[in-house]
Amino acid sequence: AQKITQTQPGMFVQEKEAVTLDCTYDTSDQSYGLFWYKQPSSGEMIFLIYQGSYDEQNATEGRYSLNFQKARKSANLVISASQLGDSAMYFCAMTSTNAGKSTFGDGTTLTVKP
Amino acid sequence: DAGVTQSPTHLIKTRGQQVTLRCSPKSGHDTVSWYQQALGQGPQFIFQYYEEEERQRGNFPDRFSGHQFPNYSSELNVNALLLGDSALYLCASSLGTSQAYEQYFGPGTRLTVT
Repeated sequence: AQKITQTQPGMFVQEKEAVTLDCTYDTSDQSYGLFWYKQPSSGEMIFLIYQGSYDEQNATEGRYSLNFQKARKSANLVISASQLGDSAMYFCAMTSTNAGKSTFGDGTTLTVKP
Repeated sequence: DAGVTQSPTHLIKTRGQQVTLRCSPKSGHDTVSWYQQALGQGPQFIFQYYEEEERQRGNFPDRFSGHQFPNYSSELNVNALLLGDSALYLCASSLGTSQAYEQYFGPGTRLTVT
């Protein structure tokens, strides 16, 4: 069975500073993908970044980077230079070939302060 | 290029009734997955359709059923509605069922059961 754990229900960050959102995962599969999504109050789930289990380099997409530590089974999201528009719920998710579905964590609510 | 669309946006039903939610995938995508997201929680996988067949199913009762049409659009049906079925229902489309493919989510249908 797959499991995603996000231990930070809520996080605050000052505008223009960096913030790290934690995510640990559990799976017995060797091949899997890790994703981060942003969900604003409107409800739509927005894809941010993807990391494959065999990727040796950490994924980056603009201000988003994924700190992938395979041995620790962690996939933390780093947002640099936070903006007010980054305030939202953030979900970590994983899929694997065997499961064929995505498993989501319970999310972290990020609030960016001006 | 149209993204994932869902209808209706909001829906209010009475306990015991039946409901049908609809999803059109992103252009070029052939796989549709449905998720239920209760307030304050992460999305829970309901099932996935590929080539008009249910490929994977989460831990949801048989009251939840679905269908995929030849044009890849999909429907989610819920019978004998319970108060606990009140949630945001998200549809996600992807190309194929491999975990490497990014899922694109629709805006969701918010179902309220009274």
